[in-house]
Amino acid sequence: AQSVAQPEDQVNVAEGNPLTVKCTYSVSGNPYLFWYVQYPNRGLQFLLKYITGDNLVKGSYGFEAEFNKSQTSFHLKKPSALVSDSALYFCAVRERGSSNTGKLIFGQGTTLQVKP
Amino acid sequence: GAVVSQHPSWVICKSGTSVKIECRSLDFQATTMFWYRQFPKQSLMLMATSNEGSKATYEQGVEKDKFLINHASLTLSTLTVTSAHPEDSSFYICSARTVATGELFFGEGSRLTVL
Repeated sequence: AQSVAQPEDQVNVAEGNPLTVKCTYSVSGNPYLFWYVQYPNRGLQFLLKYITGDNLVKGSYGFEAEFNKSQTSFHLKKPSALVSDSALYFCAVRERGSSNTGKLIFGQGTTLQVKP
Repeated sequence: GAVVSQHPSWVICKSGTSVKIECRSLDFQATTMFWYRQFPKQSLMLMATSNEGSKATYEQGVEKDKFLINHASLTLSTLTVTSAHPEDSSFYICSARTVATGELFFGEGSRLTVL
């Protein structure tokens, strides 16, 4: 069965420090991988995605993520955290293939708290 | 980028009434839309996949007679929560997949509170 795991419910970092939000997945074949951010009472905003090519993907707001096939991971990173980055972050996967409708499988979410 | 609009953003209703939530793709066509439910501080749970002009495909455990989905055009899908009860209170989010590129865009969500 397909699944996405975000092992940390919450990540706390100080402003200016690097941050990492972890994600591992279990999907057959080579999936598409995504990161989304959600602010309170809002929908999801797209941050970045991995489709193919370079394992390091750069996205919005200075975020990046590294695809590691051997570890089936897609950790989200940012070199220098901002207080405004505090939000709920979701990792998601989507199977490749024409039979797939585009359905995303989401991780549990990780709350990022950046303190000044 | 593409915009997906959900209406209403907030709705409060009495137990036993029905509530309709709309999901519109404002500047693109979407053959497929997805409806999610999210409980506080939890992940998104896919409820159903809505395809234009055909019946929705519901995920296991989701009552199709309770959560009616209609996708009558390439820009509009609706979710109707019938005979709502307090346990139906939740944040409902839709996403739409573009015909042109297959990308997914999310609405801002609709918070339903059933008294």
